[in-house]
Amino acid sequence: EAGVAQSPRYKIIEKRQSVAFWCNPISGHATLYWYQQILGQGPKLLIQFQNNGVVDDSQLPKDRFSAERLKGVDSTLKIQPAKLEDSAVYLCASSLVSWEAFFGQGTRLTVV
Amino acid sequence: DAKTTQPTSMDCAEGRAANLPCNHSTISGNEYVYWYRQIHSQGPQYIIHGLKNNETNEMASLIITEDRKSSTLILPHATLRDTAVYYCIVRGRNAGNMLTFGGGTRLMVKP
Repeated sequence: EAGVAQSPRYKIIEKRQSVAFWCNPISGHATLYWYQQILGQGPKLLIQFQNNGVVDDSQLPKDRFSAERLKGVDSTLKIQPAKLEDSAVYLCASSLVSWEAFFGQGTRLTVV
Repeated sequence: DAKTTQPTSMDCAEGRAANLPCNHSTISGNEYVYWYRQIHSQGPQYIIHGLKNNETNEMASLIITEDRKSSTLILPHATLRDTAVYYCIVRGRNAGNMLTFGGGTRLMVKP
């Protein structure tokens, strides 16, 4: 079974630029999560989708972050404009059943 | 979701049992205890979950106290590859419930 695919693996941008991350969840998984993990901290949930709909986005900084999940499959997370404090690993996860979420390798973003 | 409290770090000798505690004193009756771990440079990985009975799988055992206010994850024979950050999460069973991570316990397995 293929895992959760994320791209790119690494990205370096200058502050005020925009960036987009892509996630392809495991086939058939209805729930999709985006997390931000700053070095030394646990993953912070940014947004959770159930099929096409948003379950929770209370921790998503909506003035600069946006996420969409088209047709309930792939998802993109965008930051525009980026700030230095956005430097982190962005993790995507998906789940079929409620107790086991499968995580991708993440995208390491560096904002300079 | 209820919050959890875990020690920041622990050491364990290779081959010995690693016992990782978690306090969740505000857990509600329909919330489960989940454990995930994150090996360096990888995404978190599901380990085990339980409601009130002790659970065991090929990776670990989960012991939940009778009052459900705390639990212990047991790795029976820790190896160097078990060195990771272990997260204890309390969450409702529905897929719509958020999966929220805290700071976790950094377990260092030493030779």
